[in-house]
Amino acid sequence: AQSVAQPEDQVNVAEGNPLTVKCTYSVSGNPYLFWYVQYPNRGLQFLLKYITGDNLVKGSYGFEAEFNKSQTSFHLKKPSALVSDSALYFCAVRDDTDKLIFGTGTRLQVFP
Amino acid sequence: KAGVTQTPRYLIKTRGQQVTLSCSPISGHRSVSWYQQTPGQGLQFLFEYFSETQRNKGNFPGRFSGRQFSNSRSEMNVSTLELGDSALYLCASSPRQGASSYNSPLHFGNGTRLTVT
Repeated sequence: AQSVAQPEDQVNVAEGNPLTVKCTYSVSGNPYLFWYVQYPNRGLQFLLKYITGDNLVKGSYGFEAEFNKSQTSFHLKKPSALVSDSALYFCAVRDDTDKLIFGTGTRLQVFP
Repeated sequence: KAGVTQTPRYLIKTRGQQVTLSCSPISGHRSVSWYQQTPGQGLQFLFEYFSETQRNKGNFPGRFSGRQFSNSRSEMNVSTLELGDSALYLCASSPRQGASSYNSPLHFGNGTRLTVT
């Protein structure tokens, strides 16, 4: 069965430093991978997706993600973190019934 | 363009009661999906509606049901509420059916927070 794993419940980073939020996936066939962000008391917002093509995907708010087929990973990255990036981040994968399966989420805390 | 609108934002119900949540998708979007979000289980898929038909369903008991109207607005109903139904219920819309519509990612509303006492 298709699934995604986010191994870290929380990631702490200082403002201005690079950040990485990890995601690994398990799918049969070609993966459709997504990242979403959730701010307090809000719904999820789409950040970026990988369907095919370049392994480095650029998205909203300066975020990017690197698709690595051999490691079955799709880590979210940003070169320089902002305090306003503090939020809950979800990785998601399309499953074989064509719905999105979400990871458990990683809380990103950026300290000034 | 207005976003996905969910009403009400907050709801408090008692065990055994039933509840109806409403979702108005972005204009022109025909697919509406519902998710349950809890701290312990994360985001769990409930169902997807497209053109007034349920197209996909998650692993929830029959107490959870939904429907979609001709204007694409959707309602979700939970009967015989249990304490464990306390959660944030999120609705998401998309122009096309299914997650394969990769050019049209899901657009989420701000959710309805249901508390069952």
